[in-house]
Amino acid sequence: DIQMTQSPASLSASVGDRVSITCRASQDISIYLAWYQHKLGQVPKLLIAGASTLQSGVPSRFSGSGSGTDFTLTISSLQPEDVATYYCQRYSNAPRVFGPGTKVDIK
Amino acid sequence: EVQLVESGGGLVQPGRSVRLSCTASGFTFVDYAMTWVRQAPGKGLEWVGFIRRKANGGAPGYAPSVRGRFTVSRDDFSNKAYLQMDNLKTEDTAMYYCIREGSHTNGEYGFFDYWGQGTLVTVSS
Repeated sequence: DIQMTQSPASLSASVGDRVSITCRASQDISIYLAWYQHKLGQVPKLLIAGASTLQSGVPSRFSGSGSGTDFTLTISSLQPEDVATYYCQRYSNAPRVFGPGTKVDIK
Repeated sequence: EVQLVESGGGLVQPGRSVRLSCTASGFTFVDYAMTWVRQAPGKGLEWVGFIRRKANGGAPGYAPSVRGRFTVSRDDFSNKAYLQMDNLKTEDTAMYYCIREGSHTNGEYGFFDYWGQGTLVTVSS
């Protein structure tokens, strides 16, 4: 089965900083990669599908890139409301697999 | 408005069974695959299993950790999805989410666009 890794496991940055999270698949998954934001006490929220397609209502400071095995989620200007754990997820075939998550905090 | 409402969670003893239900509304249920994801206390998100829509064969798929113990099914007439969990273990304690799988225009699907609020299953003696 395909394995997903994320780095870093956690990060702390200042408001306004540019933040990037990397997700790596153990095999080529084309563009079938989604990103989710999970805030404490809330339901996870889909940010990006197809590696780079921003979902409706998601702020434009979020962007996704990559294909094949290497993907990146970027927050161009970190805001206090972005404090959350971010997960990548591969799809198009079973099993669907999440990455282990990256916890983002404000410094 | 898409809504997914889970029910059936609670306290259950190890080795016993429980069935979770998910009632869907606000979309054409028969057109979508449905997935279950769980989150154990202090842990990350874990995909549990899914069921394809009938147009794609309707077959289920499972994570290795639950294969043989859990069964995902659907009733397209009542717009419900189910997760039957047998031989429960303490490590199955988690919040369980029912999710609609979104699709691209090329037909590929499997990202999770709408989530229910979740139902908590606690496996303990």
